[in-house]
Amino acid sequence: QPVLTQPPSSSASPGESARLTCTLPSDINVRSYNIYWYQQKPGSPPRYLLYYYSDSHKGQGSGVPSRFSGSKDASANTGILLISGLQSEDEADYYCMIWPSNAVVFGGGTKLTVL
Amino acid sequence: QVQLVQSGAEVKSPGASVKVSCKASGYTLTAYFMHWVRQAPGQGLEWMGRIDPNSGGTNYAQKFQGRVTMTRDTSISTAYMELSRLRSDDTAVYYCARPNSDSSGTVYYFDNWGQGTLVTVSS
Repeated sequence: QPVLTQPPSSSASPGESARLTCTLPSDINVRSYNIYWYQQKPGSPPRYLLYYYSDSHKGQGSGVPSRFSGSKDASANTGILLISGLQSEDEADYYCMIWPSNAVVFGGGTKLTVL
Repeated sequence: QVQLVQSGAEVKSPGASVKVSCKASGYTLTAYFMHWVRQAPGQGLEWMGRIDPNSGGTNYAQKFQGRVTMTRDTSISTAYMELSRLRSDDTAVYYCARPNSDSSGTVYYFDNWGQGTLVTVSS
């Protein structure tokens, strides 16, 4: 199964933006996949945030604020989660995911600290 | 509303098997695949596989082939995940997760999760 690479940690201050990345292996083209993002807080199951394929094919999870958004950097073969207007409650672990064929693959997760 | 309620924590010895249940309510079990995802302490999410509760057909992650069995009992709206030949590194929280689809019906995501079942493997 492919490996999705996420930085182990990231930090930003309240009100700032956080840009979390998810890099796909070189043999998998990010252009070809929906990139899903989940948020997980301690002791709870993951919460679905959104998916991003393109600007015309994307979706937001139920009740997820619009300050969470997705994008791609095709040149870096990377999916991106952008969180604007950071709030203390955004401090959590964030996981990317792809769903190729009959398997699901998660990234290793990024722990976001809101300073 | 959709609810997935999992069985309670388990402590197992190395080499034993564990069977975790996931009881679905608020919808018909056979209408959606059920997936299983685990998370070792302090680690990330790991997909284990899925079952089509309608047919009983399964797809397992390569890593768990030969050790995992996913089944269901439609009469009680419950899915099961059994992991055999347990090792210490199987200590994890095991989640069942039901996918949902967007309005197009072509994009699926996990927005319904069980509460998780902690399985501890220790001698």
